Formats: sequence, C-alpha cells, structure tokens
Amino acid sequence: GAGVSQSPRYKVAKRGQDVALRCDPISGHVSLFWYQQALGQGPEFLTYFQNEAQLDKSGLPSDRFFAERPEGSVSTLKIQRTQQEDSAVYLCASSLHVSGQGQPQHFGDGTRLSIL
Amino acid sequence: AQTVTQSQPEMSVQEAETVTLSCTYDTSESNYYLFWYKQPPSRQMILVIRQEAYKQQNATENRFSVNFQKAAKSFSLKISDSQLGDTAMYFCAFMKERGYGGATNKLIFGTGTLLAVQP
Repeated sequence: GAGVSQSPRYKVAKRGQDVALRCDPISGHVSLFWYQQALGQGPEFLTYFQNEAQLDKSGLPSDRFFAERPEGSVSTLKIQRTQQEDSAVYLCASSLHVSGQGQPQHFGDGTRLSIL
Repeated sequence: AQTVTQSQPEMSVQEAETVTLSCTYDTSESNYYLFWYKQPPSRQMILVIRQEAYKQQNATENRFSVNFQKAAKSFSLKISDSQLGDTAMYFCAFMKERGYGGATNKLIFGTGTLLAVQP
C-alpha cells in the first residue's frame, strides 16, 4: 500500500477484555516497530520485527502484551486482560531495510485504545 | 541510556514568521541520527528532517532547517515563513547507529512541543 495502515482507528474495551491491533506496513518493508504513546507524551518503543522474526521485545510492559508478524508482512499487537493504564495510542512504523544506518521510519495513524 | 529533552511544551508564532524549537539529548555514542517528526491532530507522525551526527553540515528541507551542535548535544529546528499547516506537535527523536551485535534502531522521542501558527 501507499502508507502504513493501522486498524481499528479507535478501540474501546472494558477492563479485563483482550484486544488485537493490526498493522499493515508499506509493501516490501523489512523492519516493523510498535510504539505506545500515552496522552501528552512522546511515543515509547515496544517491540521490533525484522521480517517475521521478533528481534527485540524489550519495551513490552508486561507479559500481557504479545506481538506477532507470522508472514513478515502484517503484524498484530495483542493485549490480554486489559487494564486502564493500557489506554494510549499505539503506533506502528516500518522501514525499508534492516534497521540501521538511520533509516527513517514511516508511521501509521495509530490506534487509540481506551479501557473503561 | 539515551534521553531526549524538549523544554518547550508549547509555542506560538505568527504566520509568515520564523520560529525555533529546542531539543537537547544525552548519549555516550559517537555516531547516531537525529530526527524531527511532526504529528498533526490526525496523529500520523510525519518525518520533517533528518541529521547524521557525523556530518557537520546542518540539514535543510525547504522551510525547515536544523542547528546541530554535537558538542553541546543540541538539535534545534527552525521553521521559516510559518504556515497555518505547520500547526502540530513536533517531536525530536534520537536513533543509535546499528553497530556490532545489531542493536535495535528504535527511536527515542522527547515529550514534544505543541506549535500553534496564528493567522
């Protein structure tokens, strides 16, 4: 596609429910990143994929967060047993090559997750 | 660990005037990359400008330019001839150079500066 596509754009869930957020990166992009952006803050790194391999998940805040990219294209971020502190905008970004040499990351519009 | 600081939570500028947004960072790395991203209300992060730390020449992109002071660890963004469409949140971001061992080139963001361009 022309850009990074994320869905849904908005998601409201009750505390304790599981949610799944989808990211469709730019076609052919090898690297894929997930970030979490709390209200009034800058995005914070969650996890990184190189093709289908999850090479860095150091930013995932708890074991309730799980991400996958099984075919090296679309990625899903899953949050189990959601809590109010999970409320944030979740941003996905992709870059063309293996992460390195300062390649710009191209971002989607994000999914705004609200936990009631 | 690297940190990025943006000390101006909000700024305002008149249309057609020039404004400078500040950013400082802390790192022990010698090679790295710095970025300015713009986030309008639509939420999509849009790359404004990119600077390679080993290049002394300041990056420019049309009306946008940076003042990169490596020794001072300062990376300010200058917007000339401000336009209404420049109204947005601006984030400064740091990226390590991928070195031996293949560290992830995640972006480390500041807290942002909300810029309002007034007609």
